[in-house]
Amino acid sequence: KAGVTQTPRYLIKTRGQQVTLSCSPISGHRSVSWYQQTPGQGLQFLFEYFSETQRNKGNFPGRFSGRQFSNSRSEMNVSTLELGDSALYLCASSRGALSTNEKLFFGSGTQLSVL
Amino acid sequence: QKEVEQNSGPLSVPEGAIASLNCTYSDRGSQSFFWYRQYSGKSPELIMSIYSNGDKEDGRFTAQLNKASQYVSLLIRDSQPSDSATYLCAGNAGNNRKLIWGLGTSLAVNP
Repeated sequence: KAGVTQTPRYLIKTRGQQVTLSCSPISGHRSVSWYQQTPGQGLQFLFEYFSETQRNKGNFPGRFSGRQFSNSRSEMNVSTLELGDSALYLCASSRGALSTNEKLFFGSGTQLSVL
Repeated sequence: QKEVEQNSGPLSVPEGAIASLNCTYSDRGSQSFFWYRQYSGKSPELIMSIYSNGDKEDGRFTAQLNKASQYVSLLIRDSQPSDSATYLCAGNAGNNRKLIWGLGTSLAVNP
């Protein structure tokens, strides 16, 4: 069974540009959640999509957005990039919506560098 | 601000010893806790989950939960160099709609 697939693996952008990251969940998983990971802040929750609907959102500015397609694949978009957006962006899939017992399976991540 | 706190380490133990990793949380509504292991340059992978007070054992790993004291711990018995990684503790937020993550504890197991 294929795992969670994230593309691209690495990305270099300049300030002011926008970027789109892609995540394909494990087959049969309907929830995709996105995280930003930096050495100083750790893993921070961005948002979760379940059945094409944003179910919850973390404390990030509106420049960070996402969507989910009918096949459960998800994309995350960051507009007007800032230097502080440089981070590892991870997506995770789970069979059901994030809840008490749901276990997450992570992709390999996209390492974004903003110059 | 709901928080999950961990000592950043590094925690260094000799091969074969017991490694003890600790985590405290502030949200009394949290019901479920997870330990993820993250090797350098890799993504997190689930090691253990625990939902009830007490101990839960899985091979060399034991998770402990004490809701009254609001702490979670992970014990690794017979530590191996391959256990060297960062261990992330996460608890579900009281509304069950997301996980709150600690910053992780770096573990080094020395041969």
